[in-house]
Amino acid sequence: GAVVSQHPSWVICKSGTSVKIECRSLDFQATTMFWYRQFPKQSLMLMATSNEGSKATYEQGVEKDKFLINHASLTLSTLTVTSAHPEDSSFYICSAGTDRANEQFFGPGTRLTVL
Amino acid sequence: GQQLNQSPQSMFIQEGEDVSMNCTSSSIFNTWLWYKQDPGEGPVLLIALYKAGELTSNGRLTAQFGITRKDSFLNISASIPSDVGIYFCAGQWYGGSQGNLIFGKGTKLSVKP
Repeated sequence: GAVVSQHPSWVICKSGTSVKIECRSLDFQATTMFWYRQFPKQSLMLMATSNEGSKATYEQGVEKDKFLINHASLTLSTLTVTSAHPEDSSFYICSAGTDRANEQFFGPGTRLTVL
Repeated sequence: GQQLNQSPQSMFIQEGEDVSMNCTSSSIFNTWLWYKQDPGEGPVLLIALYKAGELTSNGRLTAQFGITRKDSFLNISASIPSDVGIYFCAGQWYGGSQGNLIFGKGTKLSVKP
């Protein structure tokens, strides 16, 4: 149990285009979903936290108009990178949390390459 | 953003050797978590620690929640080639139903057969 999927697993896009990444909790309802970004050889950095049906809370330095997060249901959250640029190339990982404070289950990640 | 101090940054050991890594923080946490990440994959939870002083094992892995709540260590005994990967510690502080994870910078483990 507690499986989180992400789609796509990798994507290559042209500069200026938008990319949508999906995060799904497959066998549980996620009250909270988190989006992380990981640059090569670095740690995971939290971008934003989203609760179902409400606006996401963004970490300092993360542009909310560039990284659009929608958490429309208890099993799906989406991250849209708008007007992507090469510096947005990174590994994006989501995690899903339950009502238990200490449980977060990570997805397999999405590799974004912006040309 | 805030990060934990994790050491060592990398280790290159012989198969069969024991491994130890640790994390320290200037802040206290309610929970310490240890994850392993393989290349191109998301982190997988290895051990979760919920109380200061707690010592927990998962197979060949043992982790402890420091008594000051500001540190934790992870030991791997009798390492094998599949232990290769990057190990992250994460601290969690929560007052409500969900708390943010603060990650260490990772320890890259290489095991020579």
